[in-house]
Amino acid sequence: AQSVTQLGSHVSVSEGALVLLRCNYSSSVPPYLFWYVQYPNQGLQLLLKYTTGATLVKGINGFEAEFKKSETSFHLTKPSAHMSDAAEYFCAVRPDSGGYQKVTFGTGTKLQVIP
Amino acid sequence: EAQVTQNPRYLITVTGKKLTVTCSQNMNHEYMSWYRQDPGLGLRQIYYSMNVEVTDKGDVPEGYKVSRKEKRNFPLILESPSPNQTSLYFCASSPTTAGGLSYGYTFGSGTRLTVV
Repeated sequence: AQSVTQLGSHVSVSEGALVLLRCNYSSSVPPYLFWYVQYPNQGLQLLLKYTTGATLVKGINGFEAEFKKSETSFHLTKPSAHMSDAAEYFCAVRPDSGGYQKVTFGTGTKLQVIP
Repeated sequence: EAQVTQNPRYLITVTGKKLTVTCSQNMNHEYMSWYRQDPGLGLRQIYYSMNVEVTDKGDVPEGYKVSRKEKRNFPLILESPSPNQTSLYFCASSPTTAGGLSYGYTFGSGTRLTVV
């Protein structure tokens, strides 16, 4: 079984401040991990992903995430928030093996950027 | 352009009137899935399909049907919609061949359904 927990359904940061969105996962097999972003009235867009190799993953729009196996975490960060980063962010996990290839999503974190 | 196309984008219907939401992808993906998104609950899987004629239930399949007669199409059918099916629906696809699991999903733009 696999699950994803996102801490904080709403996060507010000032423009230019650090963005930190938290994600913890549980998985019985080594997972693939993803962050998706959803802008208002749009579908979800892949922001970045961890598969294998380097644990620090860089994505689009200046975001990055670090896979920490010992902490079962995959937190999303951005050094300096921009107004255009206001959106909802979803962490997701998928097993890297097995016939059932479901992606399990967290409940999402809405990011508000204050001017 | 590689994409997943859902139609319609918005739909208001009455309780009990059968409806179909279409989903089509042009990436030759084997795996397709339907999710519903509700505030505070994130995305919950309704049904998925590993390939043509292979479908299975997700976490919240009650009240829904799907079919996969062609690789590119995966329609979602609500035979007797009820107000608790008012939601935002997403279709998604991904490859399943070697390395495909690491691709994540490509999502459609969503269908906002209101059942009155």
